[in-house]
Amino acid sequence: GAGVSQSPRYKVAKRGQDVALRCDPISGHVSLFWYQQALGQGPEFLTYFQNEAQLDKSGLPSDRFFAERPEGSVSTLKIQRTQQEDSAVYLCASSNRQGTEAFFGQGTRLTVV
Amino acid sequence: SQQGEEDPQALSIQEGENATMNCSYKTSINNLQWYRQNSGRGLVHLILIRSNEREKHSGRLRVTLDTSKKSSSLLITASRAADTASYFCATDARLSNNNDMRFGAGTRLTVKP
Repeated sequence: GAGVSQSPRYKVAKRGQDVALRCDPISGHVSLFWYQQALGQGPEFLTYFQNEAQLDKSGLPSDRFFAERPEGSVSTLKIQRTQQEDSAVYLCASSNRQGTEAFFGQGTRLTVV
Repeated sequence: SQQGEEDPQALSIQEGENATMNCSYKTSINNLQWYRQNSGRGLVHLILIRSNEREKHSGRLRVTLDTSKKSSSLLITASRAADTASYFCATDARLSNNNDMRFGAGTRLTVKP
């Protein structure tokens, strides 16, 4: 595709529900990032993939958060037993090699009620 | 955790004036990037400066990097109302073998017509 695509754009979940957020990076991009952005704040790093390998998951806030990229392209961020504090915009970005510009998707706005 | 810190947190100027935003970071870096984010949208890459560069220009943008002070500045000249957005710096740490970009909290720029 022309850019990074994220789905859904908006998600409302009841507290305790599991959610799955999808990211389609730019074709051929090796690096893929997930960020969490609260209102009025900067993006907080969650995790980073190089192809299918999850090289850094130090930003995942709890073991309820899990990310995968099994074939080195599409990635899914899963949040189990959602809590109100999980409400945020989740951003995905990809880049074609280390140390180059990253391209961001529009984000998924998650609201936990 | 976030690597960079931008200041000021908010900046309001008149159209035609110059806007200067600063970023400080904590660890040695490979490169530093500036991104822009319009409300409710994804981030857009503006410019990348490598650790061995001191200044870079792109159109009305000028970025400087002082690795001894661990700081960078973004100057937007002859600002326009359309420049109204949040601006973030992002770094990838030299000590990390991974390309995990970390963002600051951003500067919210308002350009009044």
